[in-house]
Amino acid sequence: GQQVKQSSPSLTVQEGGISILNCDYENDMFDYFAWYKKYPDNSPTLLISVRSNVDKREDGRLTVFLNKSGKHFSLHITASQPEDTAVYLCAAGRATGGNNKLTFGQGTVLSVIP
Amino acid sequence: DTTVKQNPRYKLARVGKPVNLICSQTMNHDTMYWYQKKPNQAPKLLLFYYDKILNREADTFEKFQSSRPNNSFCSLYIGSAGLEYSAMYLCASSRDWGGQDTQYFGPGTRLLVL
Repeated sequence: GQQVKQSSPSLTVQEGGISILNCDYENDMFDYFAWYKKYPDNSPTLLISVRSNVDKREDGRLTVFLNKSGKHFSLHITASQPEDTAVYLCAAGRATGGNNKLTFGQGTVLSVIP
Repeated sequence: DTTVKQNPRYKLARVGKPVNLICSQTMNHDTMYWYQKKPNQAPKLLLFYYDKILNREADTFEKFQSSRPNNSFCSLYIGSAGLEYSAMYLCASSRDWGGQDTQYFGPGTRLLVL
């Protein structure tokens, strides 16, 4: 089965609104959670990541919320802008125990319309 | 320079023929990864090199081979391409192995097997 899932394949948000992207995971050994952003024909790039010792991390317009008991994490983008339009991939892995492997979700296509 | 380069960007192959994809990075990263991504599916880790040690995922063990002649280069080799190999192949690298160092991705090679 798929260990990391993004249940929404797409999301449309009005410019200036909040974009909320969701990700669920199955492996409760995961302790590292990340969001990657991918433009068409470009490489996925790391946006923001958190370790399991925190339940929230903010970086500018981006906030990651981690709900360990629910095995769920989300990315909130405030004041969404058209240039936020991209594919967002969530990923999870184990940082402790010397493991750099990441398991990705299928991605959510975010469209921010002016 | 935090770029990961991949050659070629597009590859057309015949069923039963070999395919060799190339990845390079000049960040002196110890770990290099190969992922396979099909439409509407999550990137799937195929294998990774930590220094000179190759690790292949159990479910793709027999389908893919790789070589890393030096720290900068890593290839992905398919001995006999099948239609099911048509996909985007993403290379990534990270500074170390363990602790979830950031993975930097290349732009991908789109392989079409006919």
